[in-house]
Amino acid sequence: DTEVTQTPKHLVMGMTNKKSLKCEQHMGHRAMYWYKQKAKKPPELMFVYSYEKLSINESVPSRFSPECPNSSLLNLHLHALQPEDSALYLCASSTRTENTEAFFGQGTRLTVV
Amino acid sequence: GENVEQHPSTLSVQEGDSAVIKCTYSDSASNYFPWYKQELGKGPQLIIDIRSNVGEKKDQRIAVTLNKTAKHFSLHITETQPEDSAVYFCAATPGNYQLIWGAGTKLIIKP
Repeated sequence: DTEVTQTPKHLVMGMTNKKSLKCEQHMGHRAMYWYKQKAKKPPELMFVYSYEKLSINESVPSRFSPECPNSSLLNLHLHALQPEDSALYLCASSTRTENTEAFFGQGTRLTVV
Repeated sequence: GENVEQHPSTLSVQEGDSAVIKCTYSDSASNYFPWYKQELGKGPQLIIDIRSNVGEKKDQRIAVTLNKTAKHFSLHITETQPEDSAVYFCAATPGNYQLIWGAGTKLIIKP
C-alpha cells in the first residue's frame, strides 16, 4: 500500500477562519512533508518532519502551522490566510529524508475568499 | 545550489508514437532522479526513478536514462496511450531532503 490520504479534498475558507488539513500514511515512513503547488508550477516545499520532529521550515509564514501528532499523521493548521494562499496543498511521505522515493497524496484544493 | 531545467514545456505526440522529455541538472552531487506524473486535480505520482550508479532503467513502456558526465537525464515513453496525457516533472536531489524540481512538461497524446 503506497497510499497517502489527505482530507479534505476541497476547502473554501474566509480570511478570518481557522481550519486544518490532515494527512495520513500507513507505510511506516518516518519522513513527512507539506508542499504548496500553484497552477502550472512544480510543488514548493514548506515543511519537513523527520521522526515526528520538525526538521525543515522553508521560511513559511506563521499563519501556516504544522503538527505531527504521531508517525502516521501530519496536520497543517491554517489561520488568517490571504487570497494568495489559495493553492493545492500536498502531503508526501518517504522512508527517510535523503535520496529516496517520496509518495504524494491527492492534495487539498484550498481557496481563500 | 542545484538547478534543474526541463524541456520541452509542452509536447504533443500522436497516439502510439514515442515521447521523450529531457532534464539537465547543475550539481554533480545529485545522486537520485525521480520522475513524477501529475494528472489534472491529482497529486504527483512517482512513475520511475534512477540513481547515479545506474545508466538506464526500464519499466514496461517507460524508461529513464542518465548521463552523469553531461548531467542530463531523460524520460522515454513508448507506444503512447491517451492515459499518458498529463504533466510530467523531473527532479534531482543533491543528497539532502530537498527535491529540486524541473518546471514540468505537459504531454498531450493526440488520437
